[in-house]
Amino acid sequence: EPEVTQTPSHQVTQMGQEVILRCVPISNHLYFYWYRQILGQKVEFLVSFYNNEISEKSEIFDDQFSVERPDGSNFTLKIRSTKLEDSAMYFCASSQMGSGGSYNEQFFGPGTRLTVL
Amino acid sequence: KNEVEQSPQNLTAQEGEFITINCSYSVGISALHWLQQHPGGGIVSLFMLSSGKKKHGRLIATINIQEKHSSLHITASHPRDSAVYICAVRPNNDMRFGAGTRLTVKP
Repeated sequence: EPEVTQTPSHQVTQMGQEVILRCVPISNHLYFYWYRQILGQKVEFLVSFYNNEISEKSEIFDDQFSVERPDGSNFTLKIRSTKLEDSAMYFCASSQMGSGGSYNEQFFGPGTRLTVL
Repeated sequence: KNEVEQSPQNLTAQEGEFITINCSYSVGISALHWLQQHPGGGIVSLFMLSSGKKKHGRLIATINIQEKHSSLHITASHPRDSAVYICAVRPNNDMRFGAGTRLTVKP
């Protein structure tokens, strides 16, 4: 069964460093998403991406964040200058369609745990 | 005020019991999702609803769009159902999440 994959599973970085979290969505999916979950808190939406551009983003997704689909398979989240409060689990998800379509069930990756020291 | 409210926050049941988890939301939506988060952190999509009722195995999800309310039911609960169940709504191409209901099913 096709699945969303994420690498690395755990990333430790120093405050101020740049990190890139990688995701490989399901191959025929067109919409991609990043979410984060700070330990003990609820999941939060960061950004949705379609047709090589951001479709929607939350208040959390400020200038230190960026997303890219550098090739036909990867979808990346870059955090330019990490802060302690960026420590969280980051989930990637993908769906065939967006909110208006019937095939908009989202499939989640296993997550990347980011620890900022 | 949270846009997505779930109840109860925590639920402990005996194996075999019928479980109901409730979700109320305050925004207009195109769809509502029920998700399951395992102790290891992984998230699995259980249902996506825009109206009516869906059933998958022992799980049933219903939604009342007029009342902005959804329920997730588990029949004949089993210890392997122990997880956090999350309600999430989609106003557009974003997603708003509830805080989750932690379910523990004891043998």
